[in-house]
Amino acid sequence: AQTVTQSQPEMSVQEAETVTLSCTYDTSENNYYLFWYKQPPSRQMILVIRQEAYKQQNATENRFSVNFQKAAKSFSLKISDSQLGDTAMYFCAFANLNGYALNFGKGTSLLVTP
Amino acid sequence: NAGVTQTPKFQVLKTGQSMTLQCAQDMNHEYMSWYRQDPGMGLRLIHYSVGAGITDQGEVPNGYNVSRSTTEDFPLRLLSAAPSQTSVYFCASSLGAGGGSNTQYFGPGTRLTVL
Repeated sequence: AQTVTQSQPEMSVQEAETVTLSCTYDTSENNYYLFWYKQPPSRQMILVIRQEAYKQQNATENRFSVNFQKAAKSFSLKISDSQLGDTAMYFCAFANLNGYALNFGKGTSLLVTP
Repeated sequence: NAGVTQTPKFQVLKTGQSMTLQCAQDMNHEYMSWYRQDPGMGLRLIHYSVGAGITDQGEVPNGYNVSRSTTEDFPLRLLSAAPSQTSVYFCASSLGAGGGSNTQYFGPGTRLTVL
């Protein structure tokens, strides 16, 4: 089974600054998908960004971008111009190419301070 | 389009009681799944379904039953609740697997406490 590791249980960043959340994973597959989900205090799981392993270009969604290093099995999330509303738990997740299940990391709690 | 809905939002049970967590989606998604989230853990897969009439076990299936009689609904049954089942439960759905269709959309969650 694939494992997903988020080595930073908690992080904080000041408003308007940039922060990077780390994620590493272990797989023998060549093609797969990686995701970052945000879970604010409301508990809702919100998809932030999605990366397809066979695409070398890093995914970007507005202030959110990833640094996908396939050989290193690393998938970090960069949040630029942090906003108070970015305060949340962030989960990294892995999915096989034709699989249905998501394997989640344990999450990183991000606090954005004024 | 309501997306994925779950009821109830909160529930307290006594050990040994049974209950059903409801999940419905109106996006005509084939794949539905149940996860549980415990403190300090990510989400772990309990059961999943790839279509009406087809279900399978995930990582932590013990103590839970599921069935899928329609595309829209995927209830999770606790037959005899135990304190170890205290958790937040999420239902999710996706159009399918692979390609661009495997992005999972989550319901709002059910917080269950078993005393």
